[in-house]
Amino acid sequence: KNEVEQSPQNLTAQEGEFITINCSYSVGISALHWLQQHPGGGIVSLFMLSSGKKKHGRLIATINIQEKHSSLHITASHPRDSAVYICAVRLLNFGNEKLTFGTGTRLTIIP
Amino acid sequence: GAGVSQSPRYKVAKRGQDVALRCDPISGHVSLFWYQQALGQGPEFLTYFQNEAQLDKSGLPSDRFFAERPEGSVSTLKIQRTQQEDSAVYLCASSPYPGGSYNEQFFGPGTRLTVL
Repeated sequence: KNEVEQSPQNLTAQEGEFITINCSYSVGISALHWLQQHPGGGIVSLFMLSSGKKKHGRLIATINIQEKHSSLHITASHPRDSAVYICAVRLLNFGNEKLTFGTGTRLTIIP
Repeated sequence: GAGVSQSPRYKVAKRGQDVALRCDPISGHVSLFWYQQALGQGPEFLTYFQNEAQLDKSGLPSDRFFAERPEGSVSTLKIQRTQQEDSAVYLCASSPYPGGSYNEQFFGPGTRLTVL
């Protein structure tokens, strides 16, 4: 079993829809990252969370440490949001800088 | 051009050949990470540098993989005697502070390695 699980694996939606991507993890963590990867491989960091909620434009990320769960929401989705969204966690080990990644959610927004 | 750059962007190697992949992090960034991403998978951690010190190399898959960052800026990932299973995209990321995984990481475009 992977330490980081994302759902759904693939998501297709109409432009304007509200999007939710989920990330669950099975171990103690000290930080969680949401990343966006476009075709061609470029990765952009969206959020780093250790508690609560963060918002940037149409993107919202939440984390519930007790439930070991995080969600990434996209409001008023647009075709340019089409990408793979990846969740990554920093394990709760002192001095451990390793990030453990999920396999990603491929999002396609249809005009 | 203030972002992370990697070279070459694409590399085709024959099985058994040695390859060297270069990462130029953002100037002044303390933390530098190497990741390996197989097709259809999420990235996997290979190694972490804080300045010139390689503090974690637990993700390197075998002793054929070697990374260095001798002056605390540019880093090179070397793979000796490449095998077909080494085919992947190799990503480099940097972060301005120590403890890079507590902070935003800035990713390079990756080097796509294909071993024939």
